[in-house]
Amino acid sequence: DAMVIQNPRYQVTQFGKPVTLSCSQTLNHNVMYWYQQKSSQAPKLLFHYYDKDFNNEADTPDNFQSRRPNTSFCFLDIRSPGLGDAAMYLCATSSVGLVTMNTEAFFGQGTRLTVV
Amino acid sequence: AQKITQTQPGMFVQEKEAVTLDCTYDTSDPSYGLFWYKQPSSGEMIFLIYQGSYDQQNATEGRYSLNFQKARKSANLVISASQLGDSAMYFCAMREGRGGRRALTFGSGTRLQVQP
Repeated sequence: DAMVIQNPRYQVTQFGKPVTLSCSQTLNHNVMYWYQQKSSQAPKLLFHYYDKDFNNEADTPDNFQSRRPNTSFCFLDIRSPGLGDAAMYLCATSSVGLVTMNTEAFFGQGTRLTVV
Repeated sequence: AQKITQTQPGMFVQEKEAVTLDCTYDTSDPSYGLFWYKQPSSGEMIFLIYQGSYDQQNATEGRYSLNFQKARKSANLVISASQLGDSAMYFCAMREGRGGRRALTFGSGTRLQVQP
């Protein structure tokens, strides 16, 4: 059974048209991450939520925003997609405590975004 | 400086043979965790194996084992008895520091192709 679900699997959007990608989880994990993965590259962290605490990476463009209305859901908003934003977007979750080290991240299947 | 380095962009292995995928890392934090993930062409990231910096023994999970050489800062993945279904991208990743609030940092990956 899927535990981290991303919708849609494939998204085509027009240049400059806002788009939202969604992620839901049934694991009740307190941390949710968004990664961007371009072709044949490593996943790159955009931001993450530790509970309701939002943590943005320093080099994440302002064009990317995120919302986490509750524990189960997290959204990635791209305000004005450019051609360079075409990528796979991966959502992941972890259950993280004060001393845990070995908690792996559980990933969704990703949303492949095409910008035309 | 790169925190995770995977020097093999692509590897070939014959079915039923063993293969080693290389990973070196860089950190000054005494507490860290090392992870290997498999990414098939479908896109999801599948957790394979974990090694903690304080673990005395090398981690093993079924056909996967991690050759952890702390002094060399290497954490190579060994897949024994390769199967056709092992063909995928493999990513080495690291989480630094206790508490686990920091996200996983990924290497650039190795594409493994298992030949019949």
